[in-house]
Amino acid sequence: NAGVMQNPRHLVRRRGQEARLRCSPMKGHSHVYWYRQLPEEGLKFMVYLQKENIIDESGMPKERFSAEFPKEGPSILRIQQVVRGDSAAYFCASSPTTVSYNEQFFGPGTRLTVL
Amino acid sequence: SQQGEEDPQALSIQEGENATMNCSYKTSINNLQWYRQNSGRGLVHLILIRSNEREKHSGRLRVTLDTSKKSSSLLITASRAADTASYFCATDKGGSEKLVFGKGTKLTVNP
Repeated sequence: NAGVMQNPRHLVRRRGQEARLRCSPMKGHSHVYWYRQLPEEGLKFMVYLQKENIIDESGMPKERFSAEFPKEGPSILRIQQVVRGDSAAYFCASSPTTVSYNEQFFGPGTRLTVL
Repeated sequence: SQQGEEDPQALSIQEGENATMNCSYKTSINNLQWYRQNSGRGLVHLILIRSNEREKHSGRLRVTLDTSKKSSSLLITASRAADTASYFCATDKGGSEKLVFGKGTKLTVNP
């Protein structure tokens, strides 16, 4: 059973470009979470999705950021018109369909660098 | 402020010694989890302790939870150089809730 997959692992963008980060949850997991980690910091929650639904986006900046988890395919975190402050590691986590307790399994992360 | 706050921020010990890291939180929780992160890598889940549990063991790891003090500790016994990493506690309020992370303790185990 493959773990949570994220790609790309490293992404470089210039200011004003768009960044698309992809996350494939573990098999049998229908809950996806996105977190952002700034250097020397802990992870900060951004958004929680289930298939075709955004459940909690309380940690997502109101502008330029969006997330989706379509019926087919990976979850996508999209950042439009990136700025230097968006440089961070973005982690995706997934948890099982039936949540008996909230163990989340993390992917390796995408490290975004904005030049 | 952070829900989970670890201390110390950094800890340096010799191989074979024990390492103790603490985590405090502010609001009621359902579960508290500890994760390890090697430099530049993803998070590895270490152990989950529920709010009705007081202590849990996994190999060389021992986690305690004191809900009256809103604190938890992670003890790594007989440390190894490979234990060098950052350690984070994360809390949640149950169900499919988001995890709230602290800033972590950076552990260095010197050979």
